[in-house]
Amino acid sequence: RKEVEQDPGPFNVPEGATVAFNCTYSNSASQSFFWYRQDCRKEPKLLMSVYSSGNEDGRFTAQLNRASQYISLLIRDSKLSDSATYLCAVNRAMDSNYQLIWGAGTKLIIKP
Amino acid sequence: NAGVTQTPKFRILKIGQSMTLQCTQDMNHNYMYWYRQDPGMGLKLIYYSVGAGITDKGEVPNGYNVSRSTTEDFPLRLELAAPSQTSVYFCASSYEAGGRSNYGYTFGSGTRLTVV
Repeated sequence: RKEVEQDPGPFNVPEGATVAFNCTYSNSASQSFFWYRQDCRKEPKLLMSVYSSGNEDGRFTAQLNRASQYISLLIRDSKLSDSATYLCAVNRAMDSNYQLIWGAGTKLIIKP
Repeated sequence: NAGVTQTPKFRILKIGQSMTLQCTQDMNHNYMYWYRQDPGMGLKLIYYSVGAGITDKGEVPNGYNVSRSTTEDFPLRLELAAPSQTSVYFCASSYEAGGRSNYGYTFGSGTRLTVV
């Protein structure tokens, strides 16, 4: 089992719809969680950190479920410009430091 | 504010050639990382550095080397290029180790490398 897993998609969603996807992680000691957005042939860019109590940034809502070990991303009123691959990242201890472990990404396609 | 700058953007190498991928950041971050990203796969850590003069191996270090002589620069060296090293390479930096702050990592725009 991969340490961080995502459904690769693609999720094909009509413009204006709500879409949600999850990211599961296996290390119960992980403390930091992130969602990144990656456009085709571009670098990942931080979308939002995921706080324990859940957090919202405009149309985007991120939540953490520690008991079931997953994080989720909800996008409301989706726009054509939301089409991208969404990567989740989870931290864990590695040697004497911490590293982010990455999911392979979920591809989202918003259709007009 | 340039952030993380990578050069070159594209490169084609022949098997057995060597090259250096350059990475520079201007955010005074101590932590820097090199990843490779293959189609349909997550980012795989090659090497990382916790500060000038200190580097360590990640998950997939074979065939690569790094150095960190300054806070700003973290070049990645490929020796004896092989087709398996065909990938997209990203350099990243962070304020704290491994996402222990809410700032995450800042990535460079990547280098697309093909080994033929």
